[in-house]
Amino acid sequence: DAGVIQSPRHEVTEMGQEVTLRCKPISGHDYLFWYRQTMMRGLELLIYFNNNVPIDDSGMPEDRFSAKMPNASFSTLKIQPSEPRDSAVYFCASSRGRSQETQYFGPGTRLLVL
Amino acid sequence: DQQVKQNSPSLSVQEGRISILNCDYTNSMFDYFLWYKKYPAEGPTFLISISSIKDKNEDGRFTVFLNKSAKHLSLHIVPSQPGDSAVYFCAASDSQGGSEKLVFGKGTKLTVNP
Repeated sequence: DAGVIQSPRHEVTEMGQEVTLRCKPISGHDYLFWYRQTMMRGLELLIYFNNNVPIDDSGMPEDRFSAKMPNASFSTLKIQPSEPRDSAVYFCASSRGRSQETQYFGPGTRLLVL
Repeated sequence: DQQVKQNSPSLSVQEGRISILNCDYTNSMFDYFLWYKKYPAEGPTFLISISSIKDKNEDGRFTVFLNKSAKHLSLHIVPSQPGDSAVYFCAASDSQGGSEKLVFGKGTKLTVNP
């Protein structure tokens, strides 16, 4: 089985540009999570979906960030406009069901905003 | 305010010896704990977990101990191998609280020297 797929793997952009990160969860998983990893804050949850519906977006840093899940096999995380402090590694993860199910992570997208 | 803390950013041990990674948490509602392992340029992968109804869980060379009164857990790796060199993240959840949210520590980088 293919794991969680993320694209692009690396993104370099200039401040003010729009950035779109993409994720394909594992087939059959109905939970999808977006995380951000930085040196200062470690690995933090931004938002998660259940059956394509956003459940908890309390970790989204500000209105410049938005996430969508139009169907069970695709999600996007968008930053508009991007800022240098958004530079981080963004991970997508998926899991099968509720309560103590393992989350499977994608390889991450390394974002650098100049 | 960090709810999950890994106070040692790094740890170095000799091959064959025991590695002990520590994690503390503050939220008494956490009832499920996990360790994830992360190699460079890859996403975190699940290693081992423990429910709050247990105080120990073992899987091969890996054992997790939970001390609920101290709000402390530890991961023991015996014997340590060079391939265990990675960043280890402790995570916790309130699995009975209706949320799938995992709260991660900042990680401990383990280096196992041959």
